[in-house]
Amino acid sequence: GQQVQQSPASLVLQEGENAELQCNFSTSLNSMQWFYQRPGGSLVSLFYNPSGTKHSGRLTSTTVIKERRSSLHISSSQTTDSGTYLCALERGNNRIFFGDGTQLVVKP
Amino acid sequence: GPKVLQIPSHQIIDMGQMVTLNCDPVSNHLYFYWYKQILGQQMEFLVNFYNGKVMEKSKLFKDQFSVERPDGSYFTLKIQPTALEDSAVYFCASSGSSGNTLYFGEGSRLIVV
Repeated sequence: GQQVQQSPASLVLQEGENAELQCNFSTSLNSMQWFYQRPGGSLVSLFYNPSGTKHSGRLTSTTVIKERRSSLHISSSQTTDSGTYLCALERGNNRIFFGDGTQLVVKP
Repeated sequence: GPKVLQIPSHQIIDMGQMVTLNCDPVSNHLYFYWYKQILGQQMEFLVNFYNGKVMEKSKLFKDQFSVERPDGSYFTLKIQPTALEDSAVYFCASSGSSGNTLYFGEGSRLIVV
């Protein structure tokens, strides 16, 4: 079954609104990483966050291992934030599992 | 920051021909990966590679696929022969060690006609 589940599948915001993206995993993990996939397909690593909370500009990632979840918070969204956000779980053996992604559209 | 380079960025190829996708990983990285993403679908793990060997491969890694990194040069994914269903974007990634940040290339878009 799916080891990594992301929600929501899609999200439409007005510019300036906040977004909370969730990633739930069903197994133990070695690491958790969030990626932004540009509309053209290329990937940008946002956070490597196996546990705890990390901040980067308008982005915050929180991973709670015992609850088997990780979240990505985007504050004051901008139209340039539009794209797909992927979380990826690494178990041992370097096997990495991606969620299906959240498709974010930020309207002006 | 560290960059993974992929060559070519796009390739159109006739079904049945061979294609080699090249990946120049981050310098000093030891773990290498290939992923496949069909347009609009989930990114799928293909294979990981360490110390000159395939460590694990998924069921998507068909017999027609092979990977190698001769003499520490490019990490390559070869498909021979190609099939229509091989059309996808192939992403290469590398990491310094297990559990470290994964760095991705921009992808190689393969179209098999």
